[in-house]
Amino acid sequence: GAVVSQHPSRVICKSGTSVKIECRSLDFQATTMFWYRQFPKQSLMLMATSNEGSKATYEQGVEKDKFLINHASLTLSTLTVTSAHPEDSSFYICSARDLAPAYEQYFGPGTRLTVT
Amino acid sequence: GQQVMQIPQYQHVQEGEDFTTYCNSSTTLSNIQWYKQRPGGHPVFLIQLVKSGEVKKQKRLTFQFGEAKKNSSLHITATQTTDVGTYFCAGWERGAQKLVFGQGTRLTINP
Repeated sequence: GAVVSQHPSRVICKSGTSVKIECRSLDFQATTMFWYRQFPKQSLMLMATSNEGSKATYEQGVEKDKFLINHASLTLSTLTVTSAHPEDSSFYICSARDLAPAYEQYFGPGTRLTVT
Repeated sequence: GQQVMQIPQYQHVQEGEDFTTYCNSSTTLSNIQWYKQRPGGHPVFLIQLVKSGEVKKQKRLTFQFGEAKKNSSLHITATQTTDVGTYFCAGWERGAQKLVFGQGTRLTINP
């Protein structure tokens, strides 16, 4: 099946710094990628939909200036958490949608962000 | 907006017992997908149901999609310890062009 990678898998940063997370589709082209956030023992909350070559669509309540998304190519999307605070600590997961079969999404392994 | 409710939140069973999780959407879905997330891992796609009343089987797992395309269920027969994890349903609403996840059902098994 299709493979989605994420880097880094874990990151610890100090409060006030920025962190960039990369999401890559390895063996298919993804015109659409999704960024989710998951708190311990909770479900996945969609943060934004990333479309190649255009601005991301953010879900209600997600700060665009804090969570910068760039989808520069058909295989790469990045999420930058700017001026991170401890409450931003979470598990961030990206997914990519292949064109066929329709609607099937492949998830990356996730990035565990800890802000100290 | 669209909401997907999933019950139960937790289920603990003895190995060999059956397990079922239920999913209900507030709106009619284009399709529903099921994912499994092992502890510490990421969601892994299990199956997609598209047609009204559809039933699909994967070995001991049986997936159903309701006639109204608003509810779904996942049934595991004779659970094994490898079935441990959280099972999420996720509904795809055509107009919204995104998956909305249920809260998940966390399955633990007593060997």
